[in-house]
Amino acid sequence: QQQVKQSPQSLIVQKGGISIINCAYENTAFDYFPWYQQFPGKGPALLIAIRPDVSEKKEGRFTISFNKSAKQFSLHIMDSQPGDSATYFCAASMGDDKIIFGKGTRLHILP
Amino acid sequence: DAGITQSPRHKVTETGTPVTLRCHQTENHRYMYWYRQDPGHGLRLIHYSYGVKDTDKGEVSDGYSVSRSKTEDFLLTLESATSSQTSVYFCAISKGGSQPQHFGDGTRLSIL
Repeated sequence: QQQVKQSPQSLIVQKGGISIINCAYENTAFDYFPWYQQFPGKGPALLIAIRPDVSEKKEGRFTISFNKSAKQFSLHIMDSQPGDSATYFCAASMGDDKIIFGKGTRLHILP
Repeated sequence: DAGITQSPRHKVTETGTPVTLRCHQTENHRYMYWYRQDPGHGLRLIHYSYGVKDTDKGEVSDGYSVSRSKTEDFLLTLESATSSQTSVYFCAISKGGSQPQHFGDGTRLSIL
């Protein structure tokens, strides 16, 4: 299975709250899991990425949690800010030069 | 920002006409990709290139062709555009392997 399933489709969070986006995959050959952030009118931009040999990676307010046995990974945005309002895509790759993207989550942070 | 330029940024055309979109990079990356983005479908790979004159199909390649005669340019052609090809098209570049892809700002294509 080449799919990456992402949820929720849309998310509304109060300023200062925690935003959580979840993804699941089937193919255990995936070895690279990036998250992309996209603002309206712009292309997706790499936000943070993880490999399956670690369970967590943190960069500033953004954290990826990775559960290899459950084949799930998630993005946590701490202290969410209105500027974080964007569409977020999880993705997976197996080193074959192609990336499989989830369908995206539209995040809106209320001021 | 990675040096990726997509042209045109916006285009409106009629069904049955040929359309060519251009992606130009200044990063000398080996890999280049064309995606389409549609509501509810996320990003879907159309074609990609792993070197000059080396291309391969992606998930949604029907109705599209590509060419790469120089490292820096990757062209996407719709030989006879259909309304179902109305979409936002993104070009991406990468060094290859499990390396990040860097995206251009897209071309919004409307086919009437």
